[in-house]
Amino acid sequence: ETGVTQTPRHLVMGMTNKKSLKCEQHLGHNAMYWYKQSAKKPLELMFVYNFKEQTENNSVPSRFSPECPNSSHLFLHLHTLQPEDSALYLCASSQDRTGPYEQYFGPGTRLTVT
Amino acid sequence: GENVEQHPSTLSVQEGDSAVIKCTYSDSASNYFPWYKQELGKGPQLIIDIRSNVGEKKDQRIAVTLNKTAKHFSLHITETQPEDSAVYFCAANQAGTALIFGKGTTLSVSS
Repeated sequence: ETGVTQTPRHLVMGMTNKKSLKCEQHLGHNAMYWYKQSAKKPLELMFVYNFKEQTENNSVPSRFSPECPNSSHLFLHLHTLQPEDSALYLCASSQDRTGPYEQYFGPGTRLTVT
Repeated sequence: GENVEQHPSTLSVQEGDSAVIKCTYSDSASNYFPWYKQELGKGPQLIIDIRSNVGEKKDQRIAVTLNKTAKHFSLHITETQPEDSAVYFCAANQAGTALIFGKGTTLSVSS
């Protein structure tokens, strides 16, 4: 266990659905991240939050909407997704963004868009 | 920006052999180089990291070496075991910037 939990672990959704992914870290960290992992591609950083403030948005389509209500919780709200959005979505946390510090990953949510 | 290349993409070894995975990076300002292991159905797990003020770091059967001049770093696993089979990722960054990952190496250890 890395101290980072993600729910749900698996999600199947249609293109017109709205769903949310949840991430929680129990490490006392102040920075949280969303990554997308697709087959045969490097991990793609999507969003970064540092002390609850969004500090990076790597040109992610607006159908992905992050939310960070506090330093321990991170959400990714999904709506009108496309089949190419099917991937493993990973959450990670680190001490903060001033590091570099070790990043700890959750187990991921396997998303399938039908 | 930073770019990280990782080789090989797949590596098959016999149990007990050594395995070496190599990465090169492009940004000379990068000073932090972690290695992650990802098993099936799990997220990446940090197994070892090195910072640019040292050239080598060891932790039991795994070691990482860094050549700042050539801008490459390597993961060495000795006495491989079947449970070492996984996908390994290298990454690089500097303070306040995103971790840039390599594409991964699938290591298979056969007994």
